[in-house]
Amino acid sequence: ETGVTQTPRHLVMGMTNKKSLKCEQHLGHNAMYWYKQSAKKPLELMFVYSLEERVENNSVPSRFSPECPNSSHLFLHLHTLQPEDSALYLCASSQDLLEQDTQYFGPGTRLTVL
Amino acid sequence: DQQVKQNSPSLSVQEGRISILNCDYTNSMFDYFLWYKKYPAEGPTFLISISSIKDKNEDGRFTVFLNKSAKHLSLHIVPSQPGDSAVYFCAASATNTGNQFYFGTGTSLTVIP
Repeated sequence: ETGVTQTPRHLVMGMTNKKSLKCEQHLGHNAMYWYKQSAKKPLELMFVYSLEERVENNSVPSRFSPECPNSSHLFLHLHTLQPEDSALYLCASSQDLLEQDTQYFGPGTRLTVL
Repeated sequence: DQQVKQNSPSLSVQEGRISILNCDYTNSMFDYFLWYKKYPAEGPTFLISISSIKDKNEDGRFTVFLNKSAKHLSLHIVPSQPGDSAVYFCAASATNTGNQFYFGTGTSLTVIP
C-alpha cells in the first residue's frame, strides 16, 4: 500500500464517547499533520509533528489529543467532543518540515458528533 | 480572518475551453503558493506550485499565474477535460511562518462534455 491512508473513513460518535483516528504514511516522510475541514470553511491546521515530536499546536481544544508513536503513524484521540467538531479530518505528510515542502494528504475521516 | 480567499464556490466550463480559477490573499509575506485538486471521497492532491520569485509556472495543461502587486493568483486549465471536474484549493505559506499553509475554501469545477 502506498501514500497516506486514514482509518476509519467515516465515524459517528456521541459526545461522551472516546475514539481515535489513525493515519499511516508509506512515503518515508518525516513530518505529519492533522487538518480539520468544516463545511464551507478552509482547511485548518491543527497539529504538526516532525520526527515524532509535536512542533505546532494551533490552539486546538484539549478534547483533541494527538499521538505520533513513530514517523509513519499519527493518531488523533477524541473525547467528549461537541457537535460543532463534526467535520472532515485530514492527515497529511511531507518529506521534512520545510516551508516549501509539498504535503500529501490522506482521504480523510468524515466525523459526525451527535 | 481568512488570509486566502476563493470567492467563486463553483465554476462550469465546456469541455475543450479554458478554465480559470482565482485566488486572492491578504498577507503580503506569503511567498509560496500551491494548488490542490480534490475528488469526492479522496484527500487533496498536489497539482502545481509557484514561488514568489516567478509570475508564471506551467505544467502541461495547467498554468499558474501570480500577480504579487494585486495579491492574486489564478490557475488556468487548457483545454479543460471532464476528468478535471473536482474541487480546487489554493494554499499559501510564508517563510517566516514555518510550514503553516493557509487554504482557501475551494472552487468546485465542473467540465461539461
